[in-house]
Amino acid sequence: DIQMTQSPSSLSASVGDRVTITCRASQSISTYLIWYQQKPGKAPNLLIYGASSLQSGVPSRFSGSGSGTDFTLTISSLQPEDFAVYYCQHSYSSPPTFGQGTKVEIK
Amino acid sequence: QVQLMQSEAEVRKPGASVKVSCKASEYAFTDFYMHWVRQAPGQGLEWMGWINTNTGGASYAQKFQGRVTMTRDTSISTAYLDLSSLRSDDTAVYFCARGLRGSYHLRADFWGQGTLVTVSS
Repeated sequence: DIQMTQSPSSLSASVGDRVTITCRASQSISTYLIWYQQKPGKAPNLLIYGASSLQSGVPSRFSGSGSGTDFTLTISSLQPEDFAVYYCQHSYSSPPTFGQGTKVEIK
Repeated sequence: QVQLMQSEAEVRKPGASVKVSCKASEYAFTDFYMHWVRQAPGQGLEWMGWINTNTGGASYAQKFQGRVTMTRDTSISTAYLDLSSLRSDDTAVYFCARGLRGSYHLRADFWGQGTLVTVSS
Protein backbone atom coordinates (compact mmCIF):
# COMPACT_ATOMS: atom_id res chain seq x y z
CA ASP A 1 0.00 0.00 0.00
CA ILE A 2 1.10 3.57 -0.65
CA GLN A 3 1.84 5.47 2.57
CA MET A 4 0.89 9.13 2.84
CA THR A 5 2.76 11.28 5.36
CA GLN A 6 1.63 14.79 6.26
CA SER A 7 3.58 17.51 7.99
CA PRO A 8 3.23 19.14 10.34
CA SER A 9 0.79 17.13 12.46
CA SER A 10 -0.51 20.39 13.88
CA LEU A 11 0.12 24.08 13.56
CA SER A 12 -1.01 27.29 15.20
CA ALA A 13 -1.74 30.28 13.02
CA SER A 14 -3.54 33.60 13.11
CA VAL A 15 -6.34 34.90 10.94
CA GLY A 16 -4.80 36.32 7.78
CA ASP A 17 -1.72 34.09 7.88
CA ARG A 18 -0.52 32.09 4.90
CA VAL A 19 -0.53 28.40 5.80
CA THR A 20 1.18 25.54 4.00
CA ILE A 21 0.67 21.83 4.67
CA THR A 22 2.76 19.17 2.98
CA CYS A 23 1.96 15.60 2.01
CA ARG A 24 4.49 13.02 0.85
CA ALA A 25 3.66 9.73 -0.87
CA SER A 26 5.83 6.64 -0.43
CA GLN A 27 5.96 6.23 -4.21
CA SER A 28 5.06 8.34 -7.20
CA ILE A 29 1.35 8.99 -7.57
CA SER A 30 1.54 11.47 -10.47
CA THR A 31 -1.14 14.05 -9.60
CA TYR A 32 -3.65 11.63 -8.08
CA LEU A 33 -3.78 13.59 -4.85
CA ILE A 34 -6.85 14.90 -3.04
CA TRP A 35 -7.22 17.25 -0.07
CA TYR A 36 -10.12 17.25 2.38
CA GLN A 37 -11.07 19.54 5.27
CA GLN A 38 -12.83 18.11 8.31
CA LYS A 39 -14.43 20.07 11.13
CA PRO A 40 -15.33 18.49 14.49
CA GLY A 41 -18.31 16.16 14.33
CA LYS A 42 -18.68 16.57 10.57
CA ALA A 43 -17.84 14.56 7.48
CA PRO A 44 -14.81 15.53 5.41
CA ASN A 45 -15.26 18.13 2.69
CA LEU A 46 -13.49 17.84 -0.66
CA LEU A 47 -11.24 20.84 -1.35
CA ILE A 48 -8.75 19.91 -4.06
CA TYR A 49 -8.47 17.02 -6.53
CA GLY A 50 -5.91 16.15 -9.15
CA ALA A 51 -3.35 17.83 -6.85
CA SER A 52 -4.33 21.34 -7.96
CA SER A 53 -7.94 21.47 -9.19
CA LEU A 54 -10.27 23.42 -6.92
CA GLN A 55 -13.55 21.65 -6.16
CA SER A 56 -16.64 23.67 -7.09
CA GLY A 57 -17.72 26.00 -4.30
CA VAL A 58 -14.38 25.98 -2.48
CA PRO A 59 -12.92 29.46 -1.84
CA SER A 60 -10.02 30.50 -4.04
CA ARG A 61 -7.75 31.07 -1.03
CA PHE A 62 -7.22 27.29 -1.08
CA SER A 63 -4.71 25.98 -3.60
CA GLY A 64 -2.78 22.79 -4.18
CA SER A 65 0.41 21.92 -5.99
CA GLY A 66 2.86 19.13 -6.56
CA SER A 67 3.31 15.92 -8.50
CA GLY A 68 5.11 12.64 -8.07
CA THR A 69 5.67 12.25 -4.34
CA ASP A 70 5.54 15.76 -2.87
CA PHE A 71 2.45 17.91 -2.55
CA THR A 72 1.33 21.05 -0.76
CA LEU A 73 -1.95 22.60 0.30
CA THR A 74 -1.81 26.36 0.77
CA ILE A 75 -4.34 28.65 2.39
CA SER A 76 -3.37 32.12 1.25
CA SER A 77 -5.11 34.08 4.01
CA LEU A 78 -6.46 31.99 6.88
CA GLN A 79 -10.07 32.71 7.82
CA PRO A 80 -11.85 31.82 11.09
CA GLU A 81 -13.83 29.06 9.36
CA ASP A 82 -10.61 27.39 8.15
CA PHE A 83 -9.62 26.08 11.57
CA ALA A 84 -10.03 22.36 11.05
CA VAL A 85 -8.14 19.14 10.29
CA TYR A 86 -6.84 18.65 6.76
CA TYR A 87 -6.23 15.26 5.16
CA CYS A 88 -4.52 14.26 1.96
CA GLN A 89 -5.51 11.06 0.13
CA HIS A 90 -4.11 9.40 -2.97
CA SER A 91 -6.35 7.95 -5.67
CA TYR A 92 -3.56 6.45 -7.76
CA SER A 93 -4.29 2.81 -7.01
CA SER A 94 -6.23 0.57 -4.66
CA PRO A 95 -6.36 0.85 -1.74
CA PRO A 96 -6.66 4.62 -1.46
CA THR A 97 -4.93 5.79 1.70
CA PHE A 98 -5.05 8.96 3.75
CA GLY A 99 -2.43 11.00 5.51
CA GLN A 100 -2.68 11.17 9.29
CA GLY A 101 -4.11 14.68 9.22
CA THR A 102 -2.91 18.19 10.05
CA LYS A 103 -4.78 20.15 12.69
CA VAL A 104 -4.86 23.89 12.09
CA GLU A 105 -5.46 25.71 15.36
CA ILE A 106 -5.91 29.32 16.37
CA LYS A 107 -2.80 31.05 17.69
CA GLN B 1 -28.86 18.96 -3.76
CA VAL B 2 -27.16 15.55 -3.49
CA GLN B 3 -27.72 13.95 -0.09
CA LEU B 4 -26.51 10.80 1.60
CA MET B 5 -28.57 10.00 4.69
CA GLN B 6 -27.17 7.35 7.03
CA SER B 7 -28.86 5.24 9.68
CA GLU B 8 -28.75 6.02 13.36
CA ALA B 9 -26.05 5.13 15.87
CA GLU B 10 -25.70 1.50 16.95
CA VAL B 11 -24.35 -0.29 20.01
CA ARG B 12 -23.19 -3.88 19.71
CA LYS B 13 -21.44 -6.43 21.87
CA PRO B 14 -18.13 -7.97 20.79
CA GLY B 15 -18.66 -10.75 18.28
CA ALA B 16 -21.92 -9.32 16.96
CA SER B 17 -22.65 -7.80 13.55
CA VAL B 18 -23.91 -4.41 12.46
CA LYS B 19 -25.55 -3.15 9.28
CA VAL B 20 -25.35 0.54 8.38
CA SER B 21 -27.44 2.06 5.61
CA CYS B 22 -26.84 5.04 3.34
CA LYS B 23 -29.77 6.41 1.35
CA ALA B 24 -28.89 8.56 -1.65
CA SER B 25 -31.07 11.24 -3.17
CA GLU B 26 -31.04 13.86 -5.93
CA TYR B 27 -28.73 12.02 -8.29
CA ALA B 28 -28.65 8.86 -10.40
CA PHE B 29 -27.67 6.30 -7.74
CA THR B 30 -26.35 3.65 -10.11
CA ASP B 31 -24.07 6.07 -11.98
CA PHE B 32 -21.63 6.49 -9.09
CA TYR B 33 -19.61 4.08 -6.97
CA MET B 34 -20.18 4.23 -3.21
CA HIS B 35 -17.29 4.00 -0.77
CA TRP B 36 -17.22 3.38 2.97
CA VAL B 37 -14.67 5.13 5.19
CA ARG B 38 -14.40 4.88 8.96
CA GLN B 39 -12.88 7.07 11.66
CA ALA B 40 -12.08 5.80 15.15
CA PRO B 41 -12.47 8.33 17.98
CA GLY B 42 -9.80 11.02 17.69
CA GLN B 43 -8.14 9.20 14.79
CA GLY B 44 -7.76 9.61 11.04
CA LEU B 45 -9.70 8.29 8.07
CA GLU B 46 -9.57 4.65 6.97
CA TRP B 47 -10.94 3.37 3.66
CA MET B 48 -12.93 0.15 3.90
CA GLY B 49 -14.03 -0.56 0.34
CA TRP B 50 -16.36 0.29 -2.50
CA ILE B 51 -19.44 -1.04 -4.19
CA ASN B 52 -20.33 -0.64 -7.82
CA THR B 53 -23.94 0.44 -7.35
CA ASN B 54 -24.78 -0.58 -10.91
CA THR B 55 -23.51 -4.16 -10.92
CA GLY B 56 -23.32 -4.85 -7.19
CA GLY B 57 -19.67 -5.83 -7.45
CA ALA B 58 -17.52 -4.81 -4.49
CA SER B 59 -13.91 -4.54 -3.43
CA TYR B 60 -12.74 -4.47 0.16
CA ALA B 61 -9.62 -3.37 1.96
CA GLN B 62 -7.44 -6.36 2.87
CA LYS B 63 -7.85 -5.56 6.57
CA PHE B 64 -11.60 -6.20 6.43
CA GLN B 65 -11.71 -9.17 4.06
CA GLY B 66 -13.96 -11.89 5.42
CA ARG B 67 -15.73 -9.56 7.87
CA VAL B 68 -17.25 -6.93 5.59
CA THR B 69 -20.00 -7.06 2.99
CA MET B 70 -21.20 -4.11 0.94
CA THR B 71 -24.54 -4.36 -0.83
CA ARG B 72 -27.10 -2.08 -2.39
CA ASP B 73 -30.80 -1.90 -3.17
CA THR B 74 -31.23 0.10 -6.34
CA SER B 75 -35.02 0.28 -5.94
CA ILE B 76 -34.57 2.56 -2.92
CA SER B 77 -31.15 4.07 -3.82
CA THR B 78 -29.58 2.71 -0.67
CA ALA B 79 -26.17 1.23 0.03
CA TYR B 80 -25.38 -0.99 3.00
CA LEU B 81 -22.31 -1.83 5.02
CA ASP B 82 -22.35 -5.08 6.98
CA LEU B 83 -19.50 -5.67 9.45
CA SER B 84 -19.34 -8.89 11.45
CA SER B 85 -17.27 -10.33 14.32
CA LEU B 86 -17.12 -6.89 15.86
CA ARG B 87 -14.28 -6.00 18.23
CA SER B 88 -13.80 -3.03 20.51
CA ASP B 89 -11.43 -1.45 18.01
CA ASP B 90 -14.25 -1.36 15.45
CA THR B 91 -15.78 1.44 17.52
CA ALA B 92 -15.82 4.30 15.03
CA VAL B 93 -17.90 6.63 12.94
CA TYR B 94 -18.68 4.99 9.61
CA PHE B 95 -19.18 7.24 6.58
CA CYS B 96 -20.54 6.48 3.15
CA ALA B 97 -19.04 8.66 0.43
CA ARG B 98 -19.97 9.07 -3.20
CA GLY B 99 -17.16 8.21 -5.54
CA LEU B 100 -16.63 9.01 -9.18
CA ARG B 101 -19.05 8.39 -12.01
CA GLY B 102 -18.22 5.05 -13.54
CA SER B 103 -14.89 4.62 -11.74
CA TYR B 104 -13.78 2.93 -8.52
CA HIS B 105 -11.23 5.65 -7.74
CA LEU B 106 -12.04 7.52 -4.55
CA ARG B 107 -12.69 11.20 -4.96
CA ALA B 108 -15.50 11.76 -2.50
CA ASP B 109 -17.49 14.85 -3.32
CA PHE B 110 -20.46 14.00 -1.10
CA TRP B 111 -20.48 12.24 2.26
CA GLY B 112 -23.09 10.90 4.61
CA GLN B 113 -23.34 12.44 8.05
CA GLY B 114 -21.70 9.41 9.65
CA THR B 115 -23.00 6.58 11.84
CA LEU B 116 -21.38 5.93 15.20
CA VAL B 117 -20.97 2.24 15.93
CA THR B 118 -19.97 1.46 19.50
CA VAL B 119 -18.71 -2.01 20.37
CA SER B 120 -18.79 -2.65 24.08
CA SER B 121 -19.58 -5.50 26.42
